[in-house]
Amino acid sequence: GAVVSQHPSRVICKSGTSVKIECRSLDFQATTMFWYRQFPKQSLMLMATSNEGSKATYEQGVEKDKFLINHASLTLSTLTVTSAHPEDSSFYICSARGLAGGTEQYFGPGTRLTVT
Amino acid sequence: GEDVEQSLFLSVREGDSSVINCTYTDSSSTYLYWYKQEPGAGLQLLTYIFSNMDMKQDQRLTVLLNKKDKHLSLRIADTQTGDSAIYFCAVAGGFKTIFGAGTRLFVKA
Repeated sequence: GAVVSQHPSRVICKSGTSVKIECRSLDFQATTMFWYRQFPKQSLMLMATSNEGSKATYEQGVEKDKFLINHASLTLSTLTVTSAHPEDSSFYICSARGLAGGTEQYFGPGTRLTVT
Repeated sequence: GEDVEQSLFLSVREGDSSVINCTYTDSSSTYLYWYKQEPGAGLQLLTYIFSNMDMKQDQRLTVLLNKKDKHLSLRIADTQTGDSAIYFCAVAGGFKTIFGAGTRLFVKA
């Protein structure tokens, strides 16, 4: 159990375009979803936390107008990178925390974004 | 702010035990996790320990927690080449989970 999927797994886009990444909890309901960014050979950097039905809470230094997060249901959150630039190229990972209120986080497989 | 530190690299021979260490600063941490990340993949939860425990064993994995020194370790017995990956320590003291930078484990055949 506790499977989190992400789509797409890889995406290449041109500079200036927008890209949407989906994160789904497949077999549980996630009240909270987290979006992380990981640079090569570095740890995960928390970008934002989203609770179903409310606005996401962004970490300091993360532009909320550039990284749009929508958590419309208990099983789906989306991250849209707007007007992407090459420096946005990174590995984006989502994780989900279930309804039971535990602190375990289950991670998606990640999405590698390359902006040309 | 809270900090979690790990050594960056560890190299062991196949069949030996691996010990990956982690230190943290937040004394209010209640859950402490070990995640494994293989190349190009997301994070896989390996095991976790509650702060009121000293040790947890799960097959080849042993987690030791020294709460006084804020030190957490992961021991992998009989390390195999398939264990080669990056191992992240993470601590949760409230709503947020703070990750270490990860320890890259190399297993030599």
